[in-house]
Amino acid sequence: ETGVTQTPRHLVMGMTNKKSLKCEQHLGHNAMYWYKQSAKKPLELMFVYNFKEQTENNSVPSRFSPECPNSSHLFLHLHTLQPEDSALYLCASSQGGGRQGTNEKLFFGSGTQLSVL
Amino acid sequence: QQPVQSPQAVILREGEDAVINCSSSKALYSVHWYRQKHGEAPVFLMILLKGGEQKGHEKISASFNEKKQQSSLYLTASQLSYSGTYFCGTGGNTGFQKLVFGTGTRLLVSP
Repeated sequence: ETGVTQTPRHLVMGMTNKKSLKCEQHLGHNAMYWYKQSAKKPLELMFVYNFKEQTENNSVPSRFSPECPNSSHLFLHLHTLQPEDSALYLCASSQGGGRQGTNEKLFFGSGTQLSVL
Repeated sequence: QQPVQSPQAVILREGEDAVINCSSSKALYSVHWYRQKHGEAPVFLMILLKGGEQKGHEKISASFNEKKQQSSLYLTASQLSYSGTYFCGTGGNTGFQKLVFGTGTRLLVSP
């Protein structure tokens, strides 16, 4: 257990559906992330939240809409997705708090395996 | 811009050693190493910061060569539990929390 829980573990949706992915961390961290992991591709950063404020949007299409109501919860709202959006979506957290540089270790959840039909 | 990992895959017998390399075309401030087993979350192994230090975690250690813009992960006397995909993530001194990950190295340790 990494202290980061993602639900659901698996999701199948049609291109016209609307669904949401949920992430919860029990580590007292202040930063949360969404990553996309596609087959044979590196982990791609999608969004970063630090103290509930979005600090990074890595040119993600608007059909992906993140929400961070507090430092422990992170959502990814999905609508009108494309088949190429099928991937493993990983949530992660780190201590956060305004440090500079990339010297914080990430704690990942087990991911949601998304299939878009 | 993503770091290049080599080899892409390696098969070991239990007890053998392996080295996984991570090379960047950009100046490095930090290098992270993670291991992911199939169907599980990536798990943090270690961070190396600018300064060329070598770190260790059980029988797994890593080095950071600033001049070469490269990090290497050393797995000695491999165990079955070492099997998985190893990712390096590289970070610059700007771009808070923006790690760029390599494509991974798949390691299989057999009995």
